[in-house]
Amino acid sequence: EAQVTQNPRYLITVTGKKLTVTCSQNMNHEYMSWYRQDPGLGLRQIYYSMNVEVTDKGDVPEGYKVSRKEKRNFPLILESPSPNQTSLYFCASSLAVWDTQYFGPGTRLTVL
Amino acid sequence: QKEVEQDPGPLSVPEGAIVSLNCTYSNSAFQYFMWYRQYSRKGPELLMYTYSSGNKEDGRFTAQVDKSSKYISLFIRDSQPSDSATYLCAMKGSQGNLIFGKGTKLSVKP
Repeated sequence: EAQVTQNPRYLITVTGKKLTVTCSQNMNHEYMSWYRQDPGLGLRQIYYSMNVEVTDKGDVPEGYKVSRKEKRNFPLILESPSPNQTSLYFCASSLAVWDTQYFGPGTRLTVL
Repeated sequence: QKEVEQDPGPLSVPEGAIVSLNCTYSNSAFQYFMWYRQYSRKGPELLMYTYSSGNKEDGRFTAQVDKSSKYISLFIRDSQPSDSATYLCAMKGSQGNLIFGKGTKLSVKP
């Protein structure tokens, strides 16, 4: 089944403890992206990647890192999480930058 | 002015009604326009995808883009309770980044 998977789905952590949220797609998509969704602010793009080893900042990249070492995976790294990064995070992928995006199920992160 | 404006609602309609959802935008470089539907506790799923101005129909859904007015719409005919969700408009910039509206929460009452 074609899908985008994220892990973990739920995470509660403390300020400053490094964490990684994984994202994987099995559709051989070139374009992958991370978003956060907050009440009243909607979906905002954090980082995106047009292909392996190519990443770019979205609208709200501060406090986040990404890497794209292989096509199927696009992990989101929070080196030193802070409470303002408490949010619902979505990973998405598409065949190319101009194509429709398919979203993962979301990761709900709470930083205490 | 925000790049994409969307009324958050909530919007409540009776079953069978025609629903009109709208977004306005400020960046004339946007060329790709999408509507996503998001059910509670789920990721957004693509409903409609249009390029440039015009109409596109898919079953009970019609997407309309008016680039001259920087205005896009989604119409839902014969609305059903299963259409109750949050609807997000989205637009692609020239760099490949995707800009979303804040979403309109729709409730269709039986």
